[in-house]
Amino acid sequence: GAGVSQTPSNKVTEKGKYVELRCDPISGHTALYWYRQSLGQGPEFLIYFQGTGAADDSGLPNDRFFAVRPEGSVSTLKIQRTERGDSAVYLCASSPVGTNTDTQYFGPGTRLTVL
Amino acid sequence: SQQGEEDPQALSIQEGENATMNCSYKTSINNLQWYRQNSGRGLVHLILIRSNEREKHSGRLRVTLDTSKKSSSLLITASRAADTASYFCATGGNNRLAFGKGNQVVVIP
Repeated sequence: GAGVSQTPSNKVTEKGKYVELRCDPISGHTALYWYRQSLGQGPEFLIYFQGTGAADDSGLPNDRFFAVRPEGSVSTLKIQRTERGDSAVYLCASSPVGTNTDTQYFGPGTRLTVL
Repeated sequence: SQQGEEDPQALSIQEGENATMNCSYKTSINNLQWYRQNSGRGLVHLILIRSNEREKHSGRLRVTLDTSKKSSSLLITASRAADTASYFCATGGNNRLAFGKGNQVVVIP
């Protein structure tokens, strides 16, 4: 079946602009995760959804970052007033249930560049 | 903060040789997973080892886990050019993964 998809694959924006990044998880997966990966680093956790609700948003760096998953499937990561330091690859993952032993399946990522 | 820390960070080997990477972590874990990443994009899950397991095999991959030393190793046997990638260990807990900085492996044909 189809894997996790993310759009756009690349996004270039100017400092101060608003961006939305979309994630389509694997059909039927109840858990969805967002991570951010800076150059030369491993991914860092941002937020975890169980169904429609954000079960853990402790990784969001500040209140400019917000994510939704209104119908328990597609998720959108929203970044307001973008800064150059927000430039990174944003990765989405989904898993069947969301337990600690679930395998997380990652999408190809969205490369965000803030000029 | 990230729990996993891989060592070494860059490895260059000839095709056919074995590649070994290590990972250490700081706190108690439920499981440890290894992922591969090509070209800085999507991560591919390789193998998961639970905290009560000591060794696990999957094809050419062998993972060990030593919870007393809080460390894990990933061995890739008979490497191929297609194994060129970055390899990350990640510890699972609280429904999130904590990744290390990764090992870059280059397999020279």
